[in-house]
Amino acid sequence: QVQLLESGPGLVKPSQTLSLICTVTGGSMTSGSYYWSWIRQPAGKGLEWIGRIYNNGSPNYNPSLKSRVTISVDLSKNQFSLNLSSVTAADTAVYYCARVSLLDHHLDIWGQGTSVTVS
Amino acid sequence: DIQMTQSPSSLSAFVGDRVTITCRASQNINNHLSWHQQKPGKAPKLLIYGASTLESGDPSKFSGSGSGTDFTLTINNLQREDFATYYCQQSYSTPHTFGQGTKLEVK
Repeated sequence: QVQLLESGPGLVKPSQTLSLICTVTGGSMTSGSYYWSWIRQPAGKGLEWIGRIYNNGSPNYNPSLKSRVTISVDLSKNQFSLNLSSVTAADTAVYYCARVSLLDHHLDIWGQGTSVTVS
Repeated sequence: DIQMTQSPSSLSAFVGDRVTITCRASQNINNHLSWHQQKPGKAPKLLIYGASTLESGDPSKFSGSGSGTDFTLTINNLQREDFATYYCQQSYSTPHTFGQGTKLEVK
């Protein structure tokens, strides 16, 4: 059974870069046709789609974050990552990674989430 | 960006009730609409994709319908474990935007 697990620092200073890793277990990222995505959720608020990447490394980003975000994939480690630069308090949120089915691009498996505070 | 608007934003219901949540897209998204359930302190969980296809393992009390711009999620025979926040998401074009959520509370 495929599972996703986010990891990274829980506290980041303003103006620095937030870096998170999502490790995929229970299956290879190269088996099947999937995108891999990041989503975030500020406390008490709704969900915001950050971006996604395919196995070949072609990413799509939310235009609202595009100038600051980089998503990359490391198939050898069965991981994908999120870098968000020049963070402010507004980037404080729970960050989720998720698998995206190519069927109609829906998110079909979510990670448990990791809380990041910018302060 | 495609805007997704859910209604209502919150909803109170009794155990055993049937409820319907609506999601409207600002433009045609065909059937590229999914519904996710989120319980407090937990990650969201996929319930329905393709507007009406129930994710395997999810109970048939959940059903989805719609196409184009208007969609609904119906939950039959509400049980305490169903009280949660529900989000719709379009996956027709990036950014894959979410509705603002509907919080379903027990009356």
